[in-house]
Amino acid sequence: EIQLQESGPGLVKPSQSLSLTCSVTGYTITSGYDWSWIRKFPGNKMEWMGYISYSGSTNYNPSLKSRISITRDTSKNQFFLQLNSVTTEDTATYYCARYRGIVHYWGQGVMVTVSS
Amino acid sequence: DIQMTQSPSSLPASLGERVTIICRASQGISNNLNWYQQKPDGTIKPLIYYTSNLQSGVPSSFSGSRSGTDYSLTISSLEPEDFAMYYCQQDASFPYTFGAGTKLELK
Repeated sequence: EIQLQESGPGLVKPSQSLSLTCSVTGYTITSGYDWSWIRKFPGNKMEWMGYISYSGSTNYNPSLKSRISITRDTSKNQFFLQLNSVTTEDTATYYCARYRGIVHYWGQGVMVTVSS
Repeated sequence: DIQMTQSPSSLPASLGERVTIICRASQGISNNLNWYQQKPDGTIKPLIYYTSNLQSGVPSSFSGSRSGTDYSLTISSLEPEDFAMYYCQQDASFPYTFGAGTKLELK
């Protein structure tokens, strides 16, 4: 069974960096698909932040391009999100997901609050 | 970015009722439209891909269609477990974008 699990701090101070890990079990992230980060804001708006492909190429939402980085550790079958210079507007539930045509598998989500 | 206008934002309905949720794209998306269901515990489930294709395991009471620029999700007869949030999502061009969501509530 394929499972994705997000982990990381639930509270980040403004101007600092948000770092999350997605641990994948049941499928090797280098075998296929695009491994994505998607967030849901309070009030229900959802935003596709970006992805790292199975080959290692990345694609970022232009609205975040200067602040976001998605990387991976293939030995641990994990991929990561780093979002720099966060503000309170980055408060959201962050999901990692496996995508190709549709997101077949989602993590359960991790709520991150940006607050001093 | 392609904007997805989803309506209604809230949909009160009764068990057994037929309901329809609509998404309209700000430009052509050539059927590249998916639907998801989100439960109150946060879990998200894919329902329909490429406008009208049912994801494996999804009940046949769910269907998707297109009429011109409007993409629709229809639930033919509401069951208790269907009351949830629903989102459309386009993947015609990146950044992929979502509709604002529809909260399907028990009347």
